[in-house]
Amino acid sequence: EAGVAQSPRYKIIEKRQSVAFWCNPISGHATLYWYQQILGQGPKLLIQFQNNGVVDDSQLPKDRFSAERLKGVDSTLKIQPAKLEDSAVYLCASSPGGRVDEQFFGPGTRLTVL
Amino acid sequence: AQSVSQHNHHVILSEAASLELGCNYSYGGTVNLFWYVQYPGQHLQLLLKYFSGDPLVKGIKGFEAEFIKSKFSFNLRKPSVQWSDTAEYFCAVKVRGNNRLAFGKGNQVVVIP
Repeated sequence: EAGVAQSPRYKIIEKRQSVAFWCNPISGHATLYWYQQILGQGPKLLIQFQNNGVVDDSQLPKDRFSAERLKGVDSTLKIQPAKLEDSAVYLCASSPGGRVDEQFFGPGTRLTVL
Repeated sequence: AQSVSQHNHHVILSEAASLELGCNYSYGGTVNLFWYVQYPGQHLQLLLKYFSGDPLVKGIKGFEAEFIKSKFSFNLRKPSVQWSDTAEYFCAVKVRGNNRLAFGKGNQVVVIP
């Protein structure tokens, strides 16, 4: 089965610019996650969708970050405006739901803010 | 504060040596526990998981982990590592009833041939 797809793989922008990332989860997976992984740290959950509804966005910096999953399938994460400290790998994951709810991760988008 | 702790961030060892990576968490209640691995240039993938039952779980590539509830630990072990085990290893914890998966900072493991 195809895995989680993300694009772009790399992005370099200047501070105060905006950027968007795209994620296509594994077919049939109802739950989609966006994580931020700063160098030297583990992934941190930014937002979780169940179908097209938000389950948890408590760690999303809502003044500059936004995410949507309009049709309950693919999703976009946007940063506007970007700050230097947003430099990180942004990971998308999906899971099928149910009791054994394993998350499958995409390759990530490495963002560098100059 | 609730957290997942992994010590010895950088581990260097020779092939055939034994590996043990510690993971401690501070969450109360029933937890689901995971170890993920990220090989160079690849994405995060599940190594093994514990949901219930036998606290000694076996994963892919000869890895195993033991859940010790009284110590809030889920240590990862492999008796004899190979060069191909060079990777970053992450412990993750999910509290039952809460969908959030919390990760530790990871262990960068380098195996010297």
